[in-house]
Amino acid sequence: GQNIDQPTEMTATEGAIVQINCTYQTSGFNGLFWYQQHAGEAPTFLSYNVLDGLEEKGRFSSFLSRSKGYSYLLLKELQMKDSASYLCAVRDNYGQNFVFGPGTRLSVLP
Amino acid sequence: EAQVTQNPRYLITVTGKKLTVTCSQNMNHEYMSWYRQDPGLGLRQIYYSMNVEVTDKGDVPEGYKVSRKEKRNFPLILESPSPNQTSLYFCASSQSGTGATEAFFGQGTRLTVV
Repeated sequence: GQNIDQPTEMTATEGAIVQINCTYQTSGFNGLFWYQQHAGEAPTFLSYNVLDGLEEKGRFSSFLSRSKGYSYLLLKELQMKDSASYLCAVRDNYGQNFVFGPGTRLSVLP
Repeated sequence: EAQVTQNPRYLITVTGKKLTVTCSQNMNHEYMSWYRQDPGLGLRQIYYSMNVEVTDKGDVPEGYKVSRKEKRNFPLILESPSPNQTSLYFCASSQSGTGATEAFFGQGTRLTVV
């Protein structure tokens, strides 16, 4: 079966650092993706991991541990515009299908 | 500009009246899919297509049809819509294969069935 878990909601303060966790149990694995989605808008791509370790991209970093079925998205120097939902998605073995987690709604407070 | 275009953006219809939501991409992607998004449930896949004339069911296909006659287009058809199909729908496309080939999403279609 396919199961991806994320916390439902998180709150953080402007300028702070926040870590959004994702655990997954999927029948196949060919990469883990993080997307950002503002309310009512389309998801947009943030980061990609296929090997264990940390990928850094400006204020955003993503970590993957395949043996633990675990990933996190780290957001530094939070800004108000970072208030959005963050979706964790696993791509299957054939490199085609994406399975999405329920998303974590992040609120950044002044 | 590389994009996925869905139409309409908003639609209110009545139970049982057939409707089609169009989706078109200009990136020559092989893979296209449809999702619905409901509060607390995240994105759930309805149907996907690996190439022209190749389609398959996702997790929640009941009540929906699709077709892939051309590479760029992947319409979603609701033959007899019901209120439980009220949702936010997204079309997505991606390049086949591995690597950082992320999915590109359309702007979304908010459907209300009364």
